[in-house]
Amino acid sequence: RKEVEQDPGPFNVPEGATVAFNCTYSNSASQSFFWYRQDCRKEPKLLMSVYSSGNEDGRFTAQLNRASQYISLLIRDSKLSDSATYLCQLKAAGNKLTFGGGTRVLVKP
Amino acid sequence: NAGVMQNPRHLVRRRGQEARLRCSPMKGHSHVYWYRQLPEEGLKFMVYLQKENIIDESGMPKERFSAEFPKEGPSILRIQQVVRGDSAAYFCASSPGGQHHQPQHFGDGTRLSIL
Repeated sequence: RKEVEQDPGPFNVPEGATVAFNCTYSNSASQSFFWYRQDCRKEPKLLMSVYSSGNEDGRFTAQLNRASQYISLLIRDSKLSDSATYLCQLKAAGNKLTFGGGTRVLVKP
Repeated sequence: NAGVMQNPRHLVRRRGQEARLRCSPMKGHSHVYWYRQLPEEGLKFMVYLQKENIIDESGMPKERFSAEFPKEGPSILRIQQVVRGDSAAYFCASSPGGQHHQPQHFGDGTRLSIL
């Protein structure tokens, strides 16, 4: 089993719709969690950190489920500009950082 | 711009030559990470360094690849005797280190093309 797994997609989403996807992890000692977005041929950019109680930033909501070992990202009212690859990242002890393979989201008019 | 600086943005080498990729972390960041991304694939961790120390090189190929982060100057990822399969985007990221909840900040990457 991979350390961090994501559905590669693509998730084809009508503009204005809601989309959600998960990132599962196998290392129960993972301590910090992040979502990044990566546009084609560009560098990853931090979207949001994921806190234990869940957190929201505008149209984006991140959740952490430690018992089932996954984090999720939900995007409401999708915009065309939300089309990107969304990468989850976990940090374990010793600053060991691991990315998932990414979930591709395509928002269509 | 106090962000992570990588250079060059694009690098073309012939098979057998050496490639040197540079990364200057954000001001105040002492931890540097290198990643490789092949076309249509995810980010693959290569190496994690602090000043003058390699902390984790579990993602580095055993041969031809090396990395350093000297006391002064940028971090360098060096690829000797490049082959076609080394063609990829190489991203550097930095973080303040220390305790958790510190995300990474990425540079624009170096696109390496091997002829």
